[in-house]
Amino acid sequence: GAVVSQHPSRVICKSGTSVKIECRSLDFQATTMFWYRQFPKQSLMLMATSNEGSKATYEQGVEKDKFLINHASLTLSTLTVTSAHPEDSSFYICSASGGGSYNEQFFGPGTRLTVL
Amino acid sequence: TQLLEQSPQFLSIQEGENLTVYCNSSSVFSSLQWYRQEPGEGPVLLVTVVTGGEVKKLKRLTFQFGDARKDSSLHITAAQPGDTGLYLCAGASNFGNEKLTFGTGTRLTIIP
Repeated sequence: GAVVSQHPSRVICKSGTSVKIECRSLDFQATTMFWYRQFPKQSLMLMATSNEGSKATYEQGVEKDKFLINHASLTLSTLTVTSAHPEDSSFYICSASGGGSYNEQFFGPGTRLTVL
Repeated sequence: TQLLEQSPQFLSIQEGENLTVYCNSSSVFSSLQWYRQEPGEGPVLLVTVVTGGEVKKLKRLTFQFGDARKDSSLHITAAQPGDTGLYLCAGASNFGNEKLTFGTGTRLTIIP
């Protein structure tokens, strides 16, 4: 149980385009989803917390107009990187909470974004 | 701001040896989770510890939560190449859908 999927797993796009990443909880209802960014050989950096049906809460320094988050249902959250630039290239990981005994976060497999 | 410092940052040992990874903070956490992450994948939850002084075992892995719930350790006995990965501790301040504070990470390499 507590499986989270992400799609796509890898995307390459041109600078200036927008990219949407989907995060789904497959076997539980996720009242809260989280979006992280991870740079090579570093730990996870939280970008935003997303609750179903409400606006996402962004961490300090994360541009909400650039990283659009939608949490339309209890099993789906999306992250859209708008007008992507090479510096947005990174590993993006989502997690979902609600499937564990202590509301642990269960992570998706991640999405590798490369902006040319 | 809550911080979780992990040590060591990097560790490379021979197969069969034992090792301990530490996760320390000045903050109190209601629970602490350990994850292992392999390159190009998301972190996988290994264990959650909740009670101060709690010890949990997962095969060759032993996890301990400090009495004051500010620190934790992960001990691996007879390490195997399959244990190679990035180990992350993460603390939660409250039960419920609370964001996690992630540790700085320990990159472990087991040499066959």
